[in-house]
Amino acid sequence: QLQLQESGPGLVKPSETLSLTCTVSGGSINSGAYYWGWVRQPPGEGLEWIGSVYYSGNTYYNPSLKSRVTISIDTSKNQFSLKLSSVTAADTAVYYCAKVVGALFDQWGQGKLVTVSS
Amino acid sequence: EIVLTQSPGTLSLSPGERATLSCRASQSVSNNYLAWYQQKLGQAPRLLIYGASSRATGIPDRFSGGGSGTDFTLTISRLEPEDFAVYYCQQHGSSPVTFGQGTKVEIK
Repeated sequence: QLQLQESGPGLVKPSETLSLTCTVSGGSINSGAYYWGWVRQPPGEGLEWIGSVYYSGNTYYNPSLKSRVTISIDTSKNQFSLKLSSVTAADTAVYYCAKVVGALFDQWGQGKLVTVSS
Repeated sequence: EIVLTQSPGTLSLSPGERATLSCRASQSVSNNYLAWYQQKLGQAPRLLIYGASSRATGIPDRFSGGGSGTDFTLTISRLEPEDFAVYYCQQHGSSPVTFGQGTKVEIK
């Protein structure tokens, strides 16, 4: 059964870069049938799509974050990663990684709370 | 981008009652590609409905979706204790995909 797990620092300083990795187990990230994506949720708020990556490395980003986001994939490690630069307190959120099928998020990681604070 | 507005913000109902949640889009959703997710406290969202009316794998038939164009609904025919949660709609027809702000279904 496919599982996704986010990892990375839970605290990032303002103006620095947030970096998270999603490790996929129980299946290959190399499948051409899926994309792999990131969604975030500020405390007590709704969901925001950040971006998605295909196994080939093709990426798609939310225009609202595009200038600060980089998503990459490492098929040898069955992982994909998120980098968000120049963070502020507004980037404090639970960050989820997910398997994306036809722009639907049908399997999710448990989520990683990242707090931006000095 | 398409803005999704969900109503009501909170729905207070008793187990066994029928719940009807609304999601209105700022423009027509391509191919009626509208999904619904359930999120319980401290958990990741779970996909319930896609394409406006198709249930995802393993979703009980008390959950049903309907609507087209700009107006969509999620209906829970008889609320079970485990159904009290927050529900989000998402349009998956155009980029960027967007979510509504959520409807909380709470126990009355």
